[in-house]
Amino acid sequence: DTGVSQNPRHKITKRGQNVTFRCDPISEHNRLYWYRQTLGQGPEFLTYFQNEAQLEKSRLLSDRFSAERPKGSFSTLEIQRTEQGDSAMYLCASSLGGQRKTQYFGPGTRLLVL
Amino acid sequence: QQQVKQSPQSLIVQKGGISIINCAYENTAFDYFPWYQQFPGKGPALLIAIRPDVSEKKEGRFTISFNKSAKQFSLHIMDSQPGDSATYFCAASIGGSARQLTFGSGTQLTVLP
Repeated sequence: DTGVSQNPRHKITKRGQNVTFRCDPISEHNRLYWYRQTLGQGPEFLTYFQNEAQLEKSRLLSDRFSAERPKGSFSTLEIQRTEQGDSAMYLCASSLGGQRKTQYFGPGTRLLVL
Repeated sequence: QQQVKQSPQSLIVQKGGISIINCAYENTAFDYFPWYQQFPGKGPALLIAIRPDVSEKKEGRFTISFNKSAKQFSLHIMDSQPGDSATYFCAASIGGSARQLTFGSGTQLTVLP
């Protein structure tokens, strides 16, 4: 089964370090989304791509965060100069285009900033 | 502000009972209301979704009731099973399922055997 995959599944880093996460969407899904989920809360939207174009960005996506989807397939989310407040689960989702297409979520990358 | 309020925060139900989770929203532009189920260590998975042109949608043991005038919607799980124990999130979006989802804060459901 080729669901959404995310790597790494867990990341521990020290404050001030840079981290990069990867998301591989379901093949043929042209839309890809990033969400952040903190403990006891629902996911919060960060950004989404249609093919390689980044179409929406949340105010949560500060200038320390950057996301790319260079060839319209996999995506990376980089956090520069990590802060303890960045500790969260980072979820990726993908979908086909169109208003009635489900977003399928990956298992997430859990980030802990010490 | 785009916000979805969900209650209760936690719910304990006996096996075979009915689980009811409620959500309320403010933004009348929302036009797609899904419910997601999340197990520990997994990403959320779509359970059932509804659009505001219908008042109820049923899929197996899961039913969404939608009240457009009250800006509320709820998830009913009939004949709840221990395997239903998970965290449930309501969500809403503008422009259908392909746009950003705004999630509620979640309900942790425990179904006792």
